[in-house]
Amino acid sequence: EIVMTQSPATLSVSPGERATLSCRASQSVSSNLAWYQQKPGQAPRLLIYGASTRATGIPARFSGSGSGTEFTLTISSLQSEDFAVYYCQQYNNWPTFGPGTKVDIK
Amino acid sequence: QVQLQESGPGLVKPSETLSLTCAVSGYSISSGYYWGWIRQPPGKGLEWIGSIYHSGSTYYNPSLKSRVTISVDTSKNQFSLKLSSVTAADTAVYYCASPTMTDAFDIWGQGTMVTVSS
Repeated sequence: EIVMTQSPATLSVSPGERATLSCRASQSVSSNLAWYQQKPGQAPRLLIYGASTRATGIPARFSGSGSGTEFTLTISSLQSEDFAVYYCQQYNNWPTFGPGTKVDIK
Repeated sequence: QVQLQESGPGLVKPSETLSLTCAVSGYSISSGYYWGWIRQPPGKGLEWIGSIYHSGSTYYNPSLKSRVTISVDTSKNQFSLKLSSVTAADTAVYYCASPTMTDAFDIWGQGTMVTVSS
């Protein structure tokens, strides 16, 4: 099993600020890494796949980077609708998710 | 546009079998893609349960494999999940999801809450 870890568990950010979220895999997943956003009571929404490709309709303020075992999701200027929980997921092997990072209002 | 909709009992007794269905609209399930189930216990993270390809091949989370069966009904354009011998630990929101335009889960159902309790 490929274990995914995320840091920090909670990130407090002011609107308009930059947020940087980290995700680490226990072994290389190449670029087979996705990021999801989940708001309370909603299904996850795909933001990024292939480690750095934005999904359809995702604003340019969301960007992903990394390969192998270290990945980053950056939200360049947080909007009110971006406060949510973010999960990374690898699909290099059978899918596993990270525990999530909650982005809340500072 | 592909859409997914889960359905099934919201309450299951311990030791019984949880059965859910995901109806697919906007696409013929037999034409391609693979179709998966993911769950989320209350207040916790996401866990992949398993997936089935349009060919019928199945892949299960090793930790659940002994209790899981996923199947496809092409005549109804839906796929199903059966999880046997459930306990309170199986209480969760169950989502069906599929990678359609990407290799990640880009289409999700709204989710259905299943509680295991007597």
